[in-house]
Amino acid sequence: GEEVAQTPKHLVRGEGQKAKLYCAPIKGHSYVFWYQQVLKNEFKFLISFQNENVFDETGMPKERFSAKCLPNSPCSLEIQATKLEDSAVYFCASSQSGTGGTEAFFGQGTRLTVV
Amino acid sequence: KQEVTQIPAALSVPEGENLVLNCSFTDSAIYNLQWFRQDPGKGLTSLLLIQSSQREQTSGRLNASLDKSSGRSTLYIAASQPGDSATYLCNRGGADGLTFGKGTHLIIQP
Repeated sequence: GEEVAQTPKHLVRGEGQKAKLYCAPIKGHSYVFWYQQVLKNEFKFLISFQNENVFDETGMPKERFSAKCLPNSPCSLEIQATKLEDSAVYFCASSQSGTGGTEAFFGQGTRLTVV
Repeated sequence: KQEVTQIPAALSVPEGENLVLNCSFTDSAIYNLQWFRQDPGKGLTSLLLIQSSQREQTSGRLNASLDKSSGRSTLYIAASQPGDSATYLCNRGGADGLTFGKGTHLIIQP
């Protein structure tokens, strides 16, 4: 596709439930990035992929968060046993280069609300 | 760890004024600098991308400059309009990936 598509747009989960977010990068882009934005504040980097391989996971919480980018499928970010503090907008971006050499395109985000 | 700082954090000006938003970064070995706007409740819209080999980019009333040696980029908005009200973010691209600033919240008063 010509744009980064994130689904769903909104997701509400009870505390302790699982949340799964999806991101379809732009066709031809090899790199996918996930960011977390809490209350319109700064973007926190979570993880990036080069095709289906993890490129950089230094921002990924070690517990409860996992992500995948499998061939011929949207990338996914999964949160096990959600907590109230996981409430945020999760943005996905894709680019041709993982090291910032080319433009990054962002999806519209998934707003996760944990109640 | 790379740091990107945006000044001011918030700015409110009357319609029609020209204004400058500032972005500074700690490592001059960048690949590019990208400016985005974010409207309330919405995603990011890319405004301008400056490659490390470039000094500036222009799009309509927007002009972004890049000075690698001083670690600074500026976004110049000419003849501001109420529709320019948004949060403006700069994003540094480097060998270690992408790093965002915290943004400048801009309000243009009608």
